[in-house]
Amino acid sequence: QVQLVQSGAEVKKPGASVKVSCKASGYIFTRYAMHWVRQAPGQRLEWMGWINVGNGNTKYSQKFQGRVTITRDTSASTAYMELISLRSEDTAVYYCASGYSYGYWALWGKGTTVTVSS
Amino acid sequence: DIQMTQSPSSLSASVGDRVTITCQASQDISNYLNWYQQKPGKAPKLLIYDAFNLETGVPSRFSGSGSGTDFTFTISGLQPEDIGTYYCQHYDSLPFTFGPGTKVDIK
Repeated sequence: QVQLVQSGAEVKKPGASVKVSCKASGYIFTRYAMHWVRQAPGQRLEWMGWINVGNGNTKYSQKFQGRVTITRDTSASTAYMELISLRSEDTAVYYCASGYSYGYWALWGKGTTVTVSS
Repeated sequence: DIQMTQSPSSLSASVGDRVTITCQASQDISNYLNWYQQKPGKAPKLLIYDAFNLETGVPSRFSGSGSGTDFTFTISGLQPEDIGTYYCQHYDSLPFTFGPGTKVDIK
């Protein structure tokens, strides 16, 4: 069936980096954009960036510019989100999301919990 | 960045009640406004896109309206399975931003 399967929970120390994967199945991976959204505990959802899976072009929220990189491996139908220089405020659930529109997303991964703690 | 606000922040209503949530954008976003439902520990679920279009498979008791800066989301006949937090989200320009959410529970 159509789904996005994300990698498992991560625990990182401040200053480290994390790379979360999102494997798509059940549809043509290159047809739709992939977005990354995070949610810190008790906070609202926060859009981080997106990748045009077809050509690899990316756009990031200015808040994360320089710290986040979104990539994809079309042969593996997998998108990745790497966040560097982690700090405690990056503790959150990270979601990948996709759909037939650039601006709204009917397909979401289950989320990957990233905990940043010394 | 476009700021999104929602009201109320939480509400408690009885089964069968009509529930209304409002969302306001800090500038004109035309109809580039979506609504999601999120249950604890789960990913958001798309309910309404482009202000008033019902996503496939979503019950018709959910509806949306508005354009420009002011939007409304309505549940016409609250059901027990509707408890959760509802978020509005714009996609008029980058970065996309979400409202702070409205937590809905059953009285």
